Amino acid sequence: GAGVSQTPSNKVTEKGKYVELRCDPISGHTALYWYRQSLGQGPEFLIYFQGTGAADDSGLPNDRFFAVRPEGSVSTLKIQRTERGDSAVYLCASSFREGSYNEQFFGPGTRLTVL
Amino acid sequence: DQQVKQNSPSLSVQEGRISILNCDYTNSMFDYFLWYKKYPAEGPTFLISISSIKDKNEDGRFTVFLNKSAKHLSLHIVPSQPGDSAVYFCAASGVGSGAGSYQLTFGKGTKLSVIP
Repeated sequence: GAGVSQTPSNKVTEKGKYVELRCDPISGHTALYWYRQSLGQGPEFLIYFQGTGAADDSGLPNDRFFAVRPEGSVSTLKIQRTERGDSAVYLCASSFREGSYNEQFFGPGTRLTVL
Repeated sequence: DQQVKQNSPSLSVQEGRISILNCDYTNSMFDYFLWYKKYPAEGPTFLISISSIKDKNEDGRFTVFLNKSAKHLSLHIVPSQPGDSAVYFCAASGVGSGAGSYQLTFGKGTKLSVIP
């Protein structure tokens, strides 16, 4: 079956612009996560959705970052007034259900470059 | 402070030999541990996991060992193959089912090179 898909694969923008990154999870997966991976680092948690609601947004770095999942499937990560420090690979993952003992399946990521 | 540490940024192993990747953690609330493999320009791919009630889990060529008292886990790959060359991430999560988040906390990764 289809895995997690993310669009676009690459996004180049200018400082101060607004960007939207899209994630399409595996069909039937109720849990969805966003992570950010900077060069030389492991992925870092941003936000977790269970269904339509953001159950944990403690990883969002500041109020320029926002994410939605209005119908409990596709999610969009939104970044306002982008800064050069936002440049990273943004990864989306989904899992079948909530709970600790469930592996998360990752998409290929969106590489964001802020000039 | 880093809660999951992979102290070796890189490892080179001869084809056919054993690869051992190590991971240490500091948070005693972690109860589930995973290894992911990542090729360039791709997302991490789940490899193998272990819950804190076990000390070993095996899947084909891959075995994960967990030493809770030392807060240490390791991934053994035997025999190593050139296709195993990738970056390997150790990850951990805590909080059982119920309210809370199931976010993964990752190490920085170890780049494994298997030499033919």
